Amino acid sequence: QVQLQESGPGLVKPSETLSLTCIVSGGSLSGYYWGWIRQPPGKGLEWIGNIYYSGAADYNPSLRSRVTISVDTSKNQFSLTLNSVTAADTAVYYCARWAYCGGDCYFLDYWGQGTLVTVSS
Amino acid sequence: QAVLTQPSSLSASPGASASLTCTLRSGINVDTYRIYWYQQKPGSPPQYLLRYKSDSDKQQGSGVPSRFSGSKDASTNAGILLISGLQSDDEADYYCLIRHSDAWVFGGGTKLTVL
Repeated sequence: QVQLQESGPGLVKPSETLSLTCIVSGGSLSGYYWGWIRQPPGKGLEWIGNIYYSGAADYNPSLRSRVTISVDTSKNQFSLTLNSVTAADTAVYYCARWAYCGGDCYFLDYWGQGTLVTVSS
Repeated sequence: QAVLTQPSSLSASPGASASLTCTLRSGINVDTYRIYWYQQKPGSPPQYLLRYKSDSDKQQGSGVPSRFSGSKDASTNAGILLISGLQSDDEADYYCLIRHSDAWVFGGGTKLTVL
């Protein structure tokens, strides 16, 4: 059974950098896209970006200028950095796996439990 | 205008059916999109329910009861998640998701209350 676990600081100061890591167990990164999704308290889901196990990434256009997603296959993990954070970046951050269902079809099948990151001084 | 619009809330009675809509922005044709549906309960990550593009291109998530089904309404440019035989356990937030202009876009979510 594939499991994902987010880790990183729960509190980040405004204007600083948010860094999270997703450790994958029970399966390999190989052959899959992996993603980050966030959810502000009491609000809806927002896709942040994806990375293929080979390192190719794509990002939400609204966050592209501040986001980097990287992968470390030797550690079976992938990471998120978000620069110049503000209170609007306060959210539960989820990592997840994209399963391939043929052609241009992908869906999120495994999710981490999520980690709350608060941006505050 | 948002790419995807979902009603913020919906209430229905146990045993009844609930139709949750995901309306695509004008100019974006629902016929060309595959719509994915997720269920989220408080304190938990979302769970995949199903995807629907057409009757020949659809899939139920693993272990998801057949009470959950997907469809489209071209007249309103919307994707629909139909939940029949509502149970108290169906009370949750429901999100639609599409791939649009090289980005993944979630709807704002619908809070379904079963009472």
